[in-house]
Amino acid sequence: DVKVTQSSRYLVKRTGEKVFLECVQDMDHENMFWYRQDPGLGLRLIYFSYDVKMKEKGDIPEGYSVSREKKERFSLILESASTNQTSMYLCASINIPGSSTGELFFGEGSRLTVL
Amino acid sequence: RKEVEQDPGPFNVPEGATVAFNCTYSNSASQSFFWYRQDCRKEPKLLMSVYSSGNEDGRFTAQLNRASQYISLLIRDSKLSDSATYLCVVNLPGAGGTSYGKLTFGQGTILTVHP
Repeated sequence: DVKVTQSSRYLVKRTGEKVFLECVQDMDHENMFWYRQDPGLGLRLIYFSYDVKMKEKGDIPEGYSVSREKKERFSLILESASTNQTSMYLCASINIPGSSTGELFFGEGSRLTVL
Repeated sequence: RKEVEQDPGPFNVPEGATVAFNCTYSNSASQSFFWYRQDCRKEPKLLMSVYSSGNEDGRFTAQLNRASQYISLLIRDSKLSDSATYLCVVNLPGAGGTSYGKLTFGQGTILTVHP
């Protein structure tokens, strides 16, 4: 079974702190994604990566950065956390680009609270 | 205008009912389309892909209308276990034409099936 693992299920941070959210997948997937999910807004794409060291902005990249130094690992960084970044963060990866299944595999999510 | 929009819901239907969800997308370059299901406090999971000619999987039927830029999901003979949030997902091409450049979610439609 494909496994996408997010390092922390629950985090509580203070405004201004630097936050790292780690995501690791074990199926050699090319593409990885970071979303945040908020009530009434659904999942919104923050950043995605289609190769090592390659990244592309999603719909709401402001206040976030990412790192993909190894194929299996995609990190989301909040340089200076703010209260409006309190949310559920979901990491996902996808099988071979061009495949017709389009099946995203998600981690269990990281619920971040910024005080 | 949002790139992907779904029926606002929520939908509350009795067991055995037929229910349909629609989803519109704004970018005519959208390449692939999917329906995901998300149970309460769980990560989203692929329900089915949507093919140009329409496709069926048991009680679920998905259709695509490229001319009007919408996709639909029909659930027949609803079961209590169908209660979930249904998410429409659209794939836009990314930089360099990568196939899975940007998977964009609708805000989701909540379905509750009651006895």
